[in-house]
Amino acid sequence: DAGITQSPRHKVTETGTPVTLRCHQTENHRYMYWYRQDPGHGLRLIHYSYGVKDTDKGEVSDGYSVSRSKTEDFLLTLESATSSQTSVYFCAPRTGRLAGSDVTYEQYFGPGTRLTVT
Amino acid sequence: AQTVTQSQPEMSVQEAETVTLSCTYDTSESDYYLFWYKQPPSRQMILVIRQEAYKQQNATENRFSVNFQKAAKSFSLKISDSQLGDAVMYFCAYRSWGRGSQGNLIFGKGTKLSVKP
Repeated sequence: DAGITQSPRHKVTETGTPVTLRCHQTENHRYMYWYRQDPGHGLRLIHYSYGVKDTDKGEVSDGYSVSRSKTEDFLLTLESATSSQTSVYFCAPRTGRLAGSDVTYEQYFGPGTRLTVT
Repeated sequence: AQTVTQSQPEMSVQEAETVTLSCTYDTSESDYYLFWYKQPPSRQMILVIRQEAYKQQNATENRFSVNFQKAAKSFSLKISDSQLGDAVMYFCAYRSWGRGSQGNLIFGKGTKLSVKP
């Protein structure tokens, strides 16, 4: 939705290897977020970006880094993957839309990446 | 810190009946947004309905409506005329209002809804 793609959609990797997940959006959204989803935990924020080269940590940022060199791409890197990072990862740009005289902000999610670390 | 609680891991409803999914939240803020998302087996997170805390009127989107009780910090989702396609996971989410916030969503753990034909 909202022109969001994530790649790869599935990945299996070994413990200790680096992994980069990519989120691409086509609608020039300034804010972008990375979440992970685990059974029994809902979705939790990893990192977010509020502009090119502007990023900040979320609730579960340990072991992850992000980069945003251009508006349309937001990369999530696991420098040395661990089994605890086996999860489904979602990217979500924040979109603004007019609702009468107000602007409302909503997050629309990408399709997700299922990452398995063996 | 804000928290969101969905106390019903699973719910069941008969097709064409009405079901209510519960959500409570904890916050010290007075202005915020609340959302319900649904997640089918495809994993895609789909926005169902949104409520601004300053609005007293409960939001409605077709067969989906909310019962927003600000004082009780309760935000339940009512699904009317339940259909087989409604049998997915539902997540309640909170977002702060205001420039100083990260703008991220805080999610409950989800409620899995089953619909009996």
